[in-house]
Amino acid sequence: KAGVTQTPRYLIKTRGQQVTLSCSPISGHRSVSWYQQTPGQGLQFLFEYFSETQRNKGNFPGRFSGRQFSNSRSEMNVSTLELGDSALYLCASSLETAGNSPLHFGNGTRLTVT
Amino acid sequence: GDSVTQMEGPVTLSEEAFLTINCTYTATGYPSLFWYVQYPGEGLQLLLKATKADDKGSNKGFEATYRKETTSFHLEKGSVQVSDSAVYFCALISNTGGFKTIFGAGTRLFVKA
Repeated sequence: KAGVTQTPRYLIKTRGQQVTLSCSPISGHRSVSWYQQTPGQGLQFLFEYFSETQRNKGNFPGRFSGRQFSNSRSEMNVSTLELGDSALYLCASSLETAGNSPLHFGNGTRLTVT
Repeated sequence: GDSVTQMEGPVTLSEEAFLTINCTYTATGYPSLFWYVQYPGEGLQLLLKATKADDKGSNKGFEATYRKETTSFHLEKGSVQVSDSAVYFCALISNTGGFKTIFGAGTRLFVKA
């Protein structure tokens, strides 16, 4: 079974630009979550989608948005990039939104904003 | 809100040493608890989990016991290998405002040959 696939692996953007990251979950998984990982803040929850609906959202500004398609693939968009947005963005899928479903992570997209 | 606190690293051990990484949590109710591991250049992988009090999760020689009375989920391994060098994250699933997984800050482990 293929794992979670994130594209691209690396991105370099300049301040003010926007970026779209893509995530394909494990087949059959309907929940997709996004996390930002930085050395200073660790893993911060961005949002979670289930059956094309955003179910939960973390404390990030509105510049961070996402969506999920009918095939469960998800995209995350960051507009008006700032230097502080440089991070590893991790996507994770799970079988369902529930209290005991573990997350299955992709290898991440490393975004560098210059 | 719900949170996870784990010991700061890095932790440096010699091969075959005993490993303990402490993890405590604050949560409403009795959340499921997890340990994830992250190798360089990769995403996180589930290492083990426990879903109720006194459960012991185990995998690849690692184990952790869900202790409700001390709100802890310490990770242990009797004999570490160089290949265990990685960052370890303790986590819980919070049900505050919808289900989401909350992670500790991570503990980096270095194992020397």
